[in-house]
Amino acid sequence: DAGITQSPRYKITETGRQVTLMCHQTWSHSYMFWYRQDLGHGLRLIYYSAAADITDKGEVPDGYVVSRSKTENFPLTLESATRSQTSVYFCASSESVNPPLNTEAFFGQGTRLTVV
Amino acid sequence: AQKVTQAQTEISVVEKEDVTLDCVYETRDTTYYLFWYKQPPSGELVFLIRRNSFDEQNEISGRYSWNFQKSTSSFNFTITASQVVDSAVYFCALTNAGGTSYGKLTFGQGTILTVHP
Repeated sequence: DAGITQSPRYKITETGRQVTLMCHQTWSHSYMFWYRQDLGHGLRLIYYSAAADITDKGEVPDGYVVSRSKTENFPLTLESATRSQTSVYFCASSESVNPPLNTEAFFGQGTRLTVV
Repeated sequence: AQKVTQAQTEISVVEKEDVTLDCVYETRDTTYYLFWYKQPPSGELVFLIRRNSFDEQNEISGRYSWNFQKSTSSFNFTITASQVVDSAVYFCALTNAGGTSYGKLTFGQGTILTVHP
């Protein structure tokens, strides 16, 4: 299916475990993003990527690792999950970020992660 | 640093009422983009509108309208004749144009809108 998909949709993991959230987009968008959504904070940027093999930290990167070996995939790994990382995670992609071609970001369905 | 403030945490209205969601932003850049997204109970984020900083024209799309005022750094969203299906969380967001912004979005905290029948 065309679009941006995240997997899994729901995940429960234990404190200290490593967990990877997957994100796949079929548009060949250059820019990809990971956000987390927490009550009272809206969405906050964890990591972003401007192209394959180009990634950088966002506002709340601690405890997370990303990679982007292929344009279409942007996995997010929690190296040692903590309860504070319980959240809803959204992946997004955007075709262009430079005017006048700036386009909106398209979001995946989200992954609800619970760390117990 | 950028900031987006949605002062209304929750709004409750009765169907057919008009409702305005406020959004105030801060940025040092002269060229930027503002967005509104809707998050229905199903959880996905739905794009509603994008507005460039150099275009202050108000926009209307069906029952939705947006009022962009640079002088007050506001980008308010009005739903006319609200319906139960409008119940959702609404987010205002901001990104600077090009350069090192990479399209990174700064979101407000969100406004929970509940429309009662």
